[in-house]
Amino acid sequence: EPEVTQTPSHQVTQMGQEVILRCVPISNHLYFYWYRQILGQKVEFLVSFYNNEISEKSEIFDDQFSVERPDGSNFTLKIRSTKLEDSAMYFCASRRYGSNQPQHFGDGTRLSIL
Amino acid sequence: QKEVEQNSGPLSVPEGAIASLNCTYSDRGSQSFFWYRQYSGKSPELIMFIYSNGDKEDGRFTAQLNKASQYVSLLIRDSQPSDSATYLCAVNTAGGYNKLIFGAGTRLAVHP
Repeated sequence: EPEVTQTPSHQVTQMGQEVILRCVPISNHLYFYWYRQILGQKVEFLVSFYNNEISEKSEIFDDQFSVERPDGSNFTLKIRSTKLEDSAMYFCASRRYGSNQPQHFGDGTRLSIL
Repeated sequence: QKEVEQNSGPLSVPEGAIASLNCTYSDRGSQSFFWYRQYSGKSPELIMFIYSNGDKEDGRFTAQLNKASQYVSLLIRDSQPSDSATYLCAVNTAGGYNKLIFGAGTRLAVHP
C-alpha cells in the first residue's frame, strides 16, 4: 500500500539554525499538508498546499516557515532561525482530490532544538 | 475558535469488551469526520471516516455521526490489548482546503 514518507526521522539542531524537513506524498494525491504535535499536546494544522501554492495557513505558520514542492515528488517544510519552542513532531499528510477524502500521514520527523 | 472535544481518559476496558469513544465539535458546517489511532511516539493512523448521519461499520469498528447534536463516536468491538492507544477525533472544516482540526485524543487501555 502506498504511503507518505518523511525524512529524517529525527533532526537535532542548534537554536537559530535553519532546518528542512522532507516529505514524499502518495503519488496520485493532490493536496499536501504539514501538521505539528508538541509533546503531550494536540496535533495542530500548519499549512495546506495545492496546485503549487499555499492554500491555507495557520497563525503558527509565520514568516519563519516556508513550504516548497521543488519537483514532482518532494514536499518540504523549511524553518528559518529555529527557536526552542519549535521542538515538536512534524507530520506531513496528503490526500486525493475530493472534499471528503481522508488525509494519510507520514511517520513524522522529531525535531529537537538545543 | 473551532473546537473538537474529547474525554482524555484513560478509558479502561477488559479484553473482549466494547470500547466507546466520543467526540463533539463546535463548527456546525463541518463536513467530514475522521478517527485516527496514535500509538505513543508514532504518527496518526487512519481508522475510519464518516460524512453522513448514521452508522458506518468496518470490521470491529463502527463510526456513528449525529450532525444535529454535533457528535461523533467510535465503537470498538471485541477490544484487544493491541487496541490500546490514543484515539484522535479529527474534523474537516467547512470550505477551504479541508484542514483537519484535531481533538486532544482519548487514551484507551485494554487489559487482558
